[in-house]
Amino acid sequence: NAGVTQTPKFQVLKTGQSMTLQCAQDMNHEYMSWYRQDPGMGLRLIHYSVGAGITDQGEVPNGYNVSRSTTEDFPLRLLSAAPSQTSVYFCASSYSDRNYEQYFGPGTRLTVT
Amino acid sequence: AQSVSQHNHHVILSEAASLELGCNYSYGGTVNLFWYVQYPGQHLQLLLKYFSGDPLVKGIKGFEAEFIKSKFSFNLRKPSVQWSDTAEYFCAVNAGGFQKLVFGTGTRLLVSP
Repeated sequence: NAGVTQTPKFQVLKTGQSMTLQCAQDMNHEYMSWYRQDPGMGLRLIHYSVGAGITDQGEVPNGYNVSRSTTEDFPLRLLSAAPSQTSVYFCASSYSDRNYEQYFGPGTRLTVT
Repeated sequence: AQSVSQHNHHVILSEAASLELGCNYSYGGTVNLFWYVQYPGQHLQLLLKYFSGDPLVKGIKGFEAEFIKSKFSFNLRKPSVQWSDTAEYFCAVNAGGFQKLVFGTGTRLLVSP
């Protein structure tokens, strides 16, 4: 199994540009989530999904959209990038929405200028 | 709202020293507790987890943690650290088994040879 994969690994955007961060998992996990990691703040939950077609907001959802059309994929869209979205983004997945550990992807380092 | 506190932001130890990293959470109900590690340039990996049962949990690479419910704590320990333990360590909690993890701000550990 490849586990959780994310693309791209690095990205530089200009303010106002849009882009999609890709996340895929091949473990048939129902639960997927997106976090952002900022220095001194740990990881904060952006959006999550408990299955195909079902998404919900986390702690810091503003400026981000998600959709879950398949079990495997959970893309994160930045609608209009802002410098405050400069961060490292991690996707994670888990077998179900409770009582199972989460597996993390390698991350995408995003810089918005 | 749940919160997780990691009181040590930076820890510097010599090889063979003992390690204890503090983690306290604020939630009165049933919780699942995790310690994740992030080695330089890598993604988060699970060190150990507590769901129920024996409050002393053993994880990978010689790490262990003790869940003390009365103190709302889940401290991470290792009797003798190695240079390869240099990493950032995150405590995380979810409430009632649901997967919305709340992370602490992390502790950077530097082990000098």
